[in-house]
Amino acid sequence: QSALTQPPSASGSPGQSVTISCTGTSSDVGGDNFVSWYQHHPGKAPKLIIYEVTKRPSGVPDRFSGSKSGNTASLTVSGLQAEDEADYYCSSYAGHVIFGGGTKLTVL
Amino acid sequence: DVQLVQSGAEVKKPGESLKISCKGSGYRFATSWIAWVRQTPGIGLEYMGIIYPGDSDTRYSPSFQGQVTISVDKSISTAFLQWSNLRPSDTAMYFCARDSGSSSNYFDFWGQGTLVTVSS
Repeated sequence: QSALTQPPSASGSPGQSVTISCTGTSSDVGGDNFVSWYQHHPGKAPKLIIYEVTKRPSGVPDRFSGSKSGNTASLTVSGLQAEDEADYYCSSYAGHVIFGGGTKLTVL
Repeated sequence: DVQLVQSGAEVKKPGESLKISCKGSGYRFATSWIAWVRQTPGIGLEYMGIIYPGDSDTRYSPSFQGQVTISVDKSISTAFLQWSNLRPSDTAMYFCARDSGSSSNYFDFWGQGTLVTVSS
């Protein structure tokens, strides 16, 4: 069982918005701003898309946004595109890095 | 460009040993921590441990302490993950990842993964 809880799947049609949740505890997600999100297309290297809850690395489209409320962090993908279909993992810190179980995002 | 290139897929038998690698390029390898992360179906990603190439300072996740060995050869900009006694439960995809260097504990670049299959 993963340290952080994510829904196993999410879906949306092109152009729609989808939000993926990541639930932890007050000792990790809720304790600081060390939440990051990674996009993984199987067979490729995972890619950092959000760090410190809301920040986007250079080159990541602003369609990707992050937020947090209490012990739950969220990743929102707006204006869904076909290439957004991938697995998404959240991460936080609790003495060491911890991850969620991953959410498979399907673009219908 | 920053790149982490991992060694190829491996098929091993239980009890065998294995060492996989992760070669960094495009940045100063010695001054960025390198982590290893396991990916298994149903569990997702698990942080295994991390090493600082500059002085080989190594820290393991409690779940992996004693189960694997993380090492580095900074002269060839390569980090390693090794097992001395593989088990079928070690079957997984393994990723190396570079720590961003901030205090925020995130990984800014990842390798492409090495699939390890352990089966008799």
